[in-house]
Amino acid sequence: DGGITQSPKYLFRKEGQNVTLSCEQNLNHDAMYWYRQDPGQGLRLIYYSQIVNDFQKGDIAEGYSVSREKKESFPLTVTSAQKNPTAFYLCASMTGGVWSGELFFGEGSRLTVL
Amino acid sequence: AQKITQTQPGMFVQEKEAVTLDCTYDTSDPSYGLFWYKQPSSGEMIFLIYQGSYDQQNATEGRYSLNFQKARKSANLVISASQLGDSAMYFCAMRDYNNAGNMLTFGGGTRLMVKP
Repeated sequence: DGGITQSPKYLFRKEGQNVTLSCEQNLNHDAMYWYRQDPGQGLRLIYYSQIVNDFQKGDIAEGYSVSREKKESFPLTVTSAQKNPTAFYLCASMTGGVWSGELFFGEGSRLTVL
Repeated sequence: AQKITQTQPGMFVQEKEAVTLDCTYDTSDPSYGLFWYKQPSSGEMIFLIYQGSYDQQNATEGRYSLNFQKARKSANLVISASQLGDSAMYFCAMRDYNNAGNMLTFGGGTRLMVKP
């Protein structure tokens, strides 16, 4: 089945450690996105990528890094520079060039910093 | 800059009744699209309905309809015949044509609780 797979679903991290969240899609979508969601809040954009080997900062990129070496994959690294990393992280994708198209989302990764 | 406002943090509705979730938006671009997503407690985001700024008719998808009032910049979601499974967070989102990255900007969400 086509879709977006995020892993791990739950992750615990000690302060000062970097952690990488995986996002893989088999929808053949060009564009991929990372959003952060805090409890009871909406989604805020961290990074996005419209093509392989290119990505752009979103509204809250500080303390995060990404790569887009393959069309299918868009991993997010939460670095120790992120001051408040505990949150729910959602990866999404969409077909390029169809601006009326919806985003397809993965099931999310919940990161807790101990 | 785009902005989406959902003024109802939480709402209750009786099962089988209709409910309206409010959404107002702000953009200077005449070309834009409005989206509604449902987020159950499990966390995944489920796309519900889309309305384009130039669409002549209000969008409908099964029990979901969008009350689009362009002059008032509102795009309220109407759920008819509420079911217990409709209990979830609901997010309004927007993308305008000048948005080079095609990303969606989300509102703060409304938590809907359906009472049996």
